[in-house]
Amino acid sequence: GQNIDQPTEMTATEGAIVQINCTYQTSGFNGLFWYQQHAGEAPTFLSYNVLDGLEEKGRFSSFLSRSKGYSYLLLKELQMKDSASYLCAVSPYGGATNKLIFGTGTLLAVQP
Amino acid sequence: DSGVTQTPKHLITATGQRVTLRCSPRSGDLSVYWYQQSLDQGLQFLIQYYNGEERAKGNILERFSAQQFPDLHSELNLSSLELGDSALYFCASSGTGGPGNTIYFGEGSWLTVV
Repeated sequence: GQNIDQPTEMTATEGAIVQINCTYQTSGFNGLFWYQQHAGEAPTFLSYNVLDGLEEKGRFSSFLSRSKGYSYLLLKELQMKDSASYLCAVSPYGGATNKLIFGTGTLLAVQP
Repeated sequence: DSGVTQTPKHLITATGQRVTLRCSPRSGDLSVYWYQQSLDQGLQFLIQYYNGEERAKGNILERFSAQQFPDLHSELNLSSLELGDSALYFCASSGTGGPGNTIYFGEGSWLTVV
C-alpha cells in the first residue's frame, strides 16, 4: 500500500524557522513534491526532490532521504502569509503516469 | 494563477442530480488530472488523461466519469449525486504526464449536494 505521514498541525512565530516533516512508504518512488495550499484555494507547487539532499529555493528548502523514506520542508523568515496547509506528495508509479499520492497535509499557523 | 481554468467555481445541486465540471489545462500541457478534496480527507486522485486517452485511474466511483477532448480540455461528469459527494474538485495539468512532471492545479470547483 501507499502511506504518507505528516504532522496534522504546527505553530510557529513570525520571523522564525519551521521544519515540516514527511515520511512515506510507497510501492515505488519517482520523486516527492511539496505544495502549499491556503484554505479553499488551489495547491501551489513549492518543490520537487528526486535525489537525496537539499534543494534550496529562496526562503523555502526541501530535503530528501530515499533510504529513510523521509523528507522535510524548511521555511525560513516566516511571514504571516505562510499560514497555510503544506502537502507532501509522492510519485510512486513508474511507466507513463505522474499520479501523485498526497499526505493529509500539515496546517501551519504563523503567529505574530 | 497556474494557468489551469476550471468552471464552475461553485455549484449547488440536489441529490440524485448530475453535474459536469469543466477544465482547460495550461497552454501546452497534454495531461489532465482530476482530484477530489473533502473536509475530512486529503487530495484523492480520481483519474488522469493524456492527449485524449485515459492514462491512470484512482478510486473513482462508477457514478463518475471523465473525458479529455481533442482540444485537450477535460470534463468530469458526476451522476446520481449523494450528500457525500460534496467536495472541492480540482483539475490539474502537466506537460507530458510522466513521473516527475510538476502538476499545476486549477482553483477548483466547489460542489455542494443538498
